[in-house]
Amino acid sequence: DADVTQTPRNRITKTGKRIMLECSQTKGHDRMYWYRQDPGLGLRLIYYSFDVKDINKGEISDGYSVSRQAQAKFSLSLESAIPNQTALYFCATSDSFPGLRTYNEQFFGPGTRLTVL
Amino acid sequence: GQNIDQPTEMTATEGAIVQINCTYQTSGFNGLFWYQQHAGEAPTFLSYNVLDGLEEKGRFSSFLSRSKGYSYLLLKELQMKDSASYLCAVKGANNLFFGTGTRLTVIP
Repeated sequence: DADVTQTPRNRITKTGKRIMLECSQTKGHDRMYWYRQDPGLGLRLIYYSFDVKDINKGEISDGYSVSRQAQAKFSLSLESAIPNQTALYFCATSDSFPGLRTYNEQFFGPGTRLTVL
Repeated sequence: GQNIDQPTEMTATEGAIVQINCTYQTSGFNGLFWYQQHAGEAPTFLSYNVLDGLEEKGRFSSFLSRSKGYSYLLLKELQMKDSASYLCAVKGANNLFFGTGTRLTVIP
């Protein structure tokens, strides 16, 4: 079973619709992240959460909102989707800082390909 | 601000060695990661450097010079399956800042 899962994997929607992307993890990590990836722009951070009661904006949070329903679940919402939100969206998790692990690397889900028409 | 630069594309021959460079200028530095990403798939962790020098892990090695704001990923004995994008990411105070990635094509 995958450690970080995302649903849906693919979604096509229309301008103005509300969309929710969901992320679940079984790694027991405290920290969760949402990124979008666009050709030529790399991965950009939308929101991140260091625990259930902690939510922080990333580089490009406008037009997005998030909810951390539990340690294992972190959802991303597009309140009113627009075409330039068409992208590949990744959820990621990591251990807390400081931790027993040296690297605290981020583990990524398989991605959600979102198309807004 | 954050500025992370890596070449957009590289091509190398199967069995050869390739070096992918990354230069960075960031407001904070707590280490540098390299990730591999096959087309349409999730990035996967390759290596981490926080101190100057070379870290070796099998066919992959990563080097860091903090004074120069420079890192490279070295891939030896290239295989066709190494065709992928390689992402350089700098760890700031709380988060990772990613470069745009280098797409490596391995040819027979």
